[in-house]
Order: sequence, then structure tokens, then C-alpha cells
Amino acid sequence: SYELTQPPSVSVSPGQTASITCSGDQLGDKYASWYQQRPGQSPVLVIYQDSKRPSGIPERFSGSNSGNTATLTISGTQAMDEADYYCQAWDSSTQGVFGGGTKLTVL
Amino acid sequence: EVQLVESGGGLVQPGGSLRLSCAASGFTFSSYWMHWVRQAPGKGLVWVSRINSDGSSTNYADSVKGRFTISRDNAKNTLYLQMNSLRAEDTAVYYCAREGIAVAGINFDYWGQGTLVTVSS
Repeated sequence: SYELTQPPSVSVSPGQTASITCSGDQLGDKYASWYQQRPGQSPVLVIYQDSKRPSGIPERFSGSNSGNTATLTISGTQAMDEADYYCQAWDSSTQGVFGGGTKLTVL
Repeated sequence: EVQLVESGGGLVQPGGSLRLSCAASGFTFSSYWMHWVRQAPGKGLVWVSRINSDGSSTNYADSVKGRFTISRDNAKNTLYLQMNSLRAEDTAVYYCAREGIAVAGINFDYWGQGTLVTVSS
């Protein structure tokens, strides 16, 4: 079965840029989405189709996907961005797959 | 405003059954594919199942295939998940999610608040 691998944790200072990676075999041939989940809340879509932002998502969130790695980048990270982030892709037209999640800490 | 409201969770014994519901409002439910995603306590998100807009096509994660059944009633704007032969490892918060419309790829653009299923004796 297809797997997506994320680092368990990433730390960033306020105002700096945070990058969260998601690795999977030939992931660049699929389309990646990213979700933010704050403690006790439901996930929120922040990036879809590799690099598109849904309405209402701040411009500091961006995404890319090439080769075996998709990346979520948060520029000018704010304290409110502290959350768990999950990548997601669709495998062989029948199976949804999530990465294990990355806890972003804003120090 | 798009709203997805899950219900039906609770405590059930191993081997038991439970039916979850997800009431949708604020959009044309019959036009969207829908999904169930679960999250065990303190763990990550796991995709469970999806159903197409008219209910004629379904997919399941290998871990639930043959035990869970997804269905929908477009007249009632409601999504269901029938869960049979429940195991301890099925313990999780279950979210319903709407599949977003995109040029490519599959994403989940709206999520419910989740309903907790606990499988324990």
C-alpha cells in the first residue's frame, strides 16, 4: 500500500519560514493536499492540488510537489500557525492516504 | 454556510455494530462525493471510505473492507457509515468530509466536528 512520510515535528521562530515535507514514491505524479489541525478541532484544508490555497487561507501558506516530495511552506510564521499538519494524496484511484502528521511548534 | 454534523457514535462492545450519520446542509449534497476519515486518540488521520454523488460507487480502506458500508440518502442530505464486527482498533473520532471540486487530485474541503466511537468491553 502507498505510504506518505512526514517528520514528526518541526520548530520555527515567529516570523521565520517553516517547511514541512511529505515523501512518497513518485508523489510528484499525484496531487498533494495539506490540512491544519489545531488541538481539539477538525482538520482544515490549507493547500490543494499541490499549490492552490482555498478561499480564506492566508497567503503565507504555499505548497509545491515534485519528484518524491511535497512541501508545505509557511512564510512569516505566526503563533496561531502552531498545529498538526497532514499531507494527503490519492492512490490508484481507489484509496485515500494521509501522512503521519507533523507537529509544528512556534517557539 | 456548509455544515456537516456527525452523530451516532458511542461505546460498543467488540464484535458489535454501530451506524454513524452525517447531516449535510448549506450546499447541494447530491452533487458531491463524500468521505469518512477517522482519527484514533492521539494519532493521525486515516482515510476510511468514499461514495460517489449518486451512491452507485464506493471505496474502502483495506482495514475496514467487508465490515463497514458507506451509503447516502440524497433526499435526506445524509451520509451514513454502517460499522459491523467492530474491533478495539476501530476506536477513533470519525469525521465526515466533503470532497472538494478541483481540476485534479482529491481533497477534503469541509469537515464535520467528528463523532467518537469507542470499542471496548
